Parts: sequence; structure tokens; C-alpha cells
Amino acid sequence: DAGITQSPRHKVTETGTPVTLRCHQTENHRYMYWYRQDPGHGLRLIHYSYGVKDTDKGEVSDGYSVSRSKTEDFLLTLESATSSQTSVYFCAISGTGQGNQPQHFGDGTRLSIL
Amino acid sequence: AQSVTQLDSHVSVSEGTPVLLRCNYSSSYSPSLFWYVQHPNKGLQLLLKYTSAATLVKGINGFEAEFKKSETSFHLTKPSAHMSDAAEYFCVVSRSSGSARQLTFGSGTQLTVLP
Repeated sequence: DAGITQSPRHKVTETGTPVTLRCHQTENHRYMYWYRQDPGHGLRLIHYSYGVKDTDKGEVSDGYSVSRSKTEDFLLTLESATSSQTSVYFCAISGTGQGNQPQHFGDGTRLSIL
Repeated sequence: AQSVTQLDSHVSVSEGTPVLLRCNYSSSYSPSLFWYVQHPNKGLQLLLKYTSAATLVKGINGFEAEFKKSETSFHLTKPSAHMSDAAEYFCVVSRSSGSARQLTFGSGTQLTVLP
């Protein structure tokens, strides 16, 4: 299994509070991704990173920000959590950013916003 | 533009019988196609991938898929289901020459294996 650790694995918080999710990899891969998984929607890309301090928006980026200060860590922040952000969040990594390369996924963070 | 449709949200089979999970895709470009499996409380694990080499792709755990351009399909099959195959399966399409940020995921097929 690819060395990807997501923390925390579960979190319950209240509307309006800030939340930060962490993804840590030991594969030295350049590309990292944050997805959210909701029933009936598969996975949707929130943000991705193509190097330290290099990030870009995905399909559903509103309400989320990211940071990558080291190759191994990619942080996802919800500045002011809303109930619509209740979801399961997955981090993924890949060695290249090409569409023909598979991504490797962490085990997810289950986030509940009350 | 690209899209992927998993034709069945739920599939139920008996242990030892064949598995067929259906996936149709739409892509304006030469596609790469993937099947991933997700067990409960786990991340997605790559089963197999098609990237314009052989049209019949063999994956892990006895799964295989056939790329049929004329039918725009990439169905996943396994000759004999095992209890451990019970999971959710995702078909994914991307543009082979494009960016990995352009992956499009299907909505998933939940496979139940009955004893």
C-alpha cells in the first residue's frame, strides 16, 4: 500500500468552526489531491497540488483552502465549516500529473458538521 | 468533455458465480480508464487500468475488463465471485494526454456477494 496517512480519521464539529485535515505521504510524490465523496456522486476534486507551494482549484473548491509547505504534507482547511461540507474526504497522490497514471488513495477522513 | 456512467448502482451475486459490473464512458479524446475498489472505511484501491495498449486488461484478484471503443464501454468482470469481493467499485475516465486533475469518477456500484 502507498504510504498515505490521513488525520484525523473521524471528526465531529459545529457549524462555523475552522477545520484542518492533514494528508501525509512517504512516497515523495510530487502530486497530491483532495477529494470529497458523497453518496451518488463518486469522488469530486476539491484542490490539488503539483509541488511545494503550488496548488490549484478543482471542481468543488468553494469554501476550502489548501496549503503545501513540504513535499510530504498537504493540508485541507475549511475556514468556517457548514453542514454541506459533511462528507468523507480522501487524499490521493501520484508521481506524475498525467491523466493516464493512477492515483493512490488514503483511507479517508469522515467529517460531520453539526 | 468526458463522463462516465455506471449502469447499476447495486449488483448482487452468489459466491462462485460470475461478476459483471457495467461502465459506459464518453470522451472527446483518447481515454484512459480505471477501475477502483473501495472496501468499507477504506480508500480506493486500483484494480486495473487501460491506457491504449491491449484492449483486454487483467487486474488484481482475478478481475479483468475489456475496452470496447465501438460500444464506449469498459465493463469489469470476474469468473467466480468470492465473499471478499463485496465492496463498492468505481469506474474512472480521464484524458490520456491530459492532466490527472481531469479524472471523472462514476457514482459507484455496490457489489453484494451472497453465500
